[in-house]
Amino acid sequence: AQSVTQPDIHITVSEGASLELRCNYSYGATPYLFWYVQSPGQGLQLLLKYFSGDTLVQGIKGFEAEFKRSQSSFNLRKPSVHWSDAAEYFCAVGTTSGGSYIPTFGRGTSLIVHP
Amino acid sequence: DAGITQSPRHKVTETGTPVTLRCHQTENHRYMYWYRQDPGHGLRLIHYSYGVKDTDKGEVSDGYSVSRSKTEDFLLTLESATSSQTSVYFCAIREYETQYFGPGTRLLVL
Repeated sequence: AQSVTQPDIHITVSEGASLELRCNYSYGATPYLFWYVQSPGQGLQLLLKYFSGDTLVQGIKGFEAEFKRSQSSFNLRKPSVHWSDAAEYFCAVGTTSGGSYIPTFGRGTSLIVHP
Repeated sequence: DAGITQSPRHKVTETGTPVTLRCHQTENHRYMYWYRQDPGHGLRLIHYSYGVKDTDKGEVSDGYSVSRSKTEDFLLTLESATSSQTSVYFCAIREYETQYFGPGTRLLVL
């Protein structure tokens, strides 16, 4: 079965600093890969996704992610963090099991932004 | 906006009572999902549906049942609510290979 690991439960950065959130997955083939963001009290919003092609994908709000097959990773990056980026971030893997499409989510990384 | 609404948005109930949460979508998507979100656990799949009357269990389905009698509605029922089912519940649809989420229902079981 596939699994998704987000090794950092919390990350603290200063406003204006760069950010990298880590995501590793376990799956035999290349899955569909996603990053979502959740602000407090809100639902999940799709930041970006990777299906195939260029391994560096651009998303909304200035985020990007890079797929590295050799490392089974899909890390999320942002060059300069804004206070409004403080939120919970989830990495997800979409795979098909028994003919059904069942995405699996990591446990999330909470981003804290200091002024 | 994938046209997903959830109702109610907040609910307080007592242990042992049945509770039904509703997910409604307006865009005729075939796949719908119910997740629960708890601190430290991320999102865990409860049940999903791949068509009218076609449903299957997820990893945390005990104590929950679902029904989908029409494409636009996917109902989640807690047959006899317990305090361990206090959580935030999210519905999602699948559009191509991407999931889009509803706003969530916050459930407190006393």
